[in-house]
Amino acid sequence: QQQVKQSPQSLIVQKGGISIINCAYENTAFDYFPWYQQFPGKGPALLIAIRPDVSEKKEGRFTISFNKSAKQFSLHIMDSQPGDSATYFCAASSGGATNKLIFGTGTLLAVQP
Amino acid sequence: DTGVSQDPRHKITKRGQNVTFRCDPISEHNRLYWYRQTLGQGPEFLTYFQNEAQLEKSRLLSDRFSAERPKGSFSTLEIQRTEQGDSAMYLCASLGGPGELFFGEGSRLTVL
Repeated sequence: QQQVKQSPQSLIVQKGGISIINCAYENTAFDYFPWYQQFPGKGPALLIAIRPDVSEKKEGRFTISFNKSAKQFSLHIMDSQPGDSATYFCAASSGGATNKLIFGTGTLLAVQP
Repeated sequence: DTGVSQDPRHKITKRGQNVTFRCDPISEHNRLYWYRQTLGQGPEFLTYFQNEAQLEKSRLLSDRFSAERPKGSFSTLEIQRTEQGDSAMYLCASLGGPGELFFGEGSRLTVL
């Protein structure tokens, strides 16, 4: 299967809180897992990405946790800010020749001030 | 700005008309991708190019859709005889490092 399943569909977090978005995949050939952030009327922008040889990657307030055995990965946004309000997409790629990304269905995050 | 550029940003057309979208990728990127995104969904892969060669097409790309990248630089996506179901955001992306797609802001198509 090529699917990437993402949850929750929407999320409301208070300013300063932690936002957590989860994704699961089936295809064990996937070897690259990025997260994209999309604001209304804009294209998706690469936020952070991980490869399966590590279990965690942190960039500023954003952390990806990766569980290879469970075939799951998640995005944690620490100290969430109103400016983080956007739609977040997880994705996966099997690399190789194509580098084609398969996207999840997205999570609409609203950070309340 | 040296990002991915798409034109037009918005297109409203009547059913049955033809439309064409243009994408200018980041200049040093050899790979170019087209995706389609409908409301509330993630982007779906349509096709991609390595320089001027179109290497893969999704089954989403019906016979009414054609994409070209004649000189390995900009690309066009044409939809013939548009249908209401074609209404979507058409996204272009170019590939930086492995798996690192840089998207443009998209071309939103509305078919009346």
